[in-house]
Amino acid sequence: GESVGLHLPTLSVQEGDNSIINCAYSNSASDYFIWYKQESGKGPQFIIDIRSNMDKRQGQRVTVLLNKTVKHLSLQIAATQPGDSAVYFCAENSKTSYDKVIFGPGTSLSVIP
Amino acid sequence: KAGVTQTPRYLIKTRGQQVTLSCSPISGHRSVSWYQQTPGQGLQFLFEYFSETQRNKGNFPGRFSGRQFSNSRSEMNVSTLELGDSALYLCASSFLDRAEGYTFGSGTRLTVV
Repeated sequence: GESVGLHLPTLSVQEGDNSIINCAYSNSASDYFIWYKQESGKGPQFIIDIRSNMDKRQGQRVTVLLNKTVKHLSLQIAATQPGDSAVYFCAENSKTSYDKVIFGPGTSLSVIP
Repeated sequence: KAGVTQTPRYLIKTRGQQVTLSCSPISGHRSVSWYQQTPGQGLQFLFEYFSETQRNKGNFPGRFSGRQFSNSRSEMNVSTLELGDSALYLCASSFLDRAEGYTFGSGTRLTVV
């Protein structure tokens, strides 16, 4: 069935380095993508989103890149901080199934001080 | 502005029992979605409600059910609990009928013993 998957289940980076978290999706009808951050004991928190008519979107220290040709999504975190340690989920939404959001399995980011 | 409120935060039940979880969305939000999160499984879609109507349902057995009230508050019920139902149950609400502005609650941690 349709799914969103992550290439790396875990990622460890040094504090101050940049982090890149990748995500693959299979539904070509998906037109809206979201990245969430989940800290222990909390629900997922919105980080940044991007629509399919865009290739790149920047936020505060975060950038999302979308490559529709290969159905690939990535989240870049600049100058990674200890507070960035969390599980990151990509998610997709489509016009054909607008009432359902499909989440990837998640990547655990660990920042080494 | 109050966020999404889920009650209770923690729950311990015995196999065979039933449980009801509650979700109060952000004021003005009409869409409520429920997800089950288990270790290593990511977030699995349960169902979505919009204006008291269930619009979509995930691949869960009929023991899982839900409803939404006229004030947009939602409940989900799990009957005949199994050990495998132990999970974090999350709800998310949004103003529109799509994923934009999807905001999660902190979840209800259900343990079945």
